[in-house]
Amino acid sequence: DQQVKQNSPSLSVQEGRISILNCDYTNSMFDYFLWYKKYPAEGPTFLISISSIKDKNEDGRFTVFLNKSAKHLSLHIVPSQPGDSAVYFCAARMYNNNDMRFGAGTRLTVKP
Amino acid sequence: DTGVSQDPRHKITKRGQNVTFRCDPISEHNRLYWYRQTLGQGPEFLTYFQNEAQLEKSRLLSDRFSAERPKGSFSTLEIQRTEQGDSAMYLCASSLVQGAGLYNEQFFGPGTRLTVL
Repeated sequence: DQQVKQNSPSLSVQEGRISILNCDYTNSMFDYFLWYKKYPAEGPTFLISISSIKDKNEDGRFTVFLNKSAKHLSLHIVPSQPGDSAVYFCAARMYNNNDMRFGAGTRLTVKP
Repeated sequence: DTGVSQDPRHKITKRGQNVTFRCDPISEHNRLYWYRQTLGQGPEFLTYFQNEAQLEKSRLLSDRFSAERPKGSFSTLEIQRTEQGDSAMYLCASSLVQGAGLYNEQFFGPGTRLTVL
């Protein structure tokens, strides 16, 4: 059962513009959400997270928005840079539960 | 380099053979996780250890799979009688959990890519 879904397998954006990556989840028990970035031949790297008590978390160029009623979160990257080109995974977990569920990933390409 | 390391990075084996992978977590981390990632999918949780105790196993972890963390440091994941469906990237992650351990960031290794012929 795919409890975390990333429906866009790829996204292409021009350098300097905004990248918006989307993620939907089905399990209302999830209360902590994370974004990971993965370069080829490397493991996923933690990028940013948000707990369900918030609707926005910002870290530099990266902002994650959470809409609990819609069971939807998004990652905004502004401005996008070529070095941001990678696969981005959305992940979700329940309180104090180590079974983290990942989406299938979105490949972001930022063109110079 | 103080990150999570995994060995080997690549493994090709014939169906029916046994394989063993090793993961060395970040030294002070007390939790260690194993994930499996197949092509076009995100990582899927397999199991995790708190120190040397294996506390949780996914239903994905069939009886052909066994994981150990004997001294609470490195971990091994063994697959017996490999099948072609076992071909995947096997990722290890570690984290430091203190106190209630509510939310903890997991640091991933580069993975071991297994190909079963």
